[in-house]
Amino acid sequence: DIQMTQSPSSLSASVGDRVTITCRASQSISNYLNWYQQKPGKAPNLLIYAASSLQSGVPSRFRGSGSGTDFTLTISSLQPEDFATYYCQQSYSTPMYTFGQGTKLEI
Amino acid sequence: EVQLVESGGGLVKPGGSVRLSCAASGFTFSFYSMNWVRQAPGKGLEWVSSISSTSLYIYYADSVKGRFTISRDNANDSLYLQMNSLRAEDTAVYYCATDYGDYSRFDPWGQGTLVTVSS
Repeated sequence: DIQMTQSPSSLSASVGDRVTITCRASQSISNYLNWYQQKPGKAPNLLIYAASSLQSGVPSRFRGSGSGTDFTLTISSLQPEDFATYYCQQSYSTPMYTFGQGTKLEI
Repeated sequence: EVQLVESGGGLVKPGGSVRLSCAASGFTFSFYSMNWVRQAPGKGLEWVSSISSTSLYIYYADSVKGRFTISRDNANDSLYLQMNSLRAEDTAVYYCATDYGDYSRFDPWGQGTLVTVSS
């Protein structure tokens, strides 16, 4: 199985900061990498697919990059509503999808 | 409005069974593969099972293989998860999610239903 490792596990930041979350795959997954945001008590919400494609309706301050084994999610200027937990998901080894362990972004 | 609504969760005794349902609306359900994903309290996301649009292809995580059964009813825009031989470690919020388009991105998701396995 493909393992996904996110770093850091938690991150403290302030409104207006630029933050980067990293996701590493245990083997090459090309660009089959999706990012989700989850707020407490809510379902995950798709942000980025295919490593760098912005899902419709998602603000442009969210940016995904990477290919192969190393990927990043960057939020260019944190807004209050961005404080949440972020998960990466590989969809290369379908349908044995695996998620990263999550990165909790706190104020 | 595109929507998925899960139901059927609750308190179940170890070794017991429960059937989850997911009602879809606002999109052509029969076109898409569907998934169940779970999240134990305070933990991350775990993919549980997938079913293709015509039910031809069905897959399970090793952790539930032989105990859970996924199915769908395209005539009624519904997805199901039959959960048998439940264990304490199956306690989680269970989400249904649409496998939308290429790159198997999960969108949309339902709001989730909590299954608690406890005596």
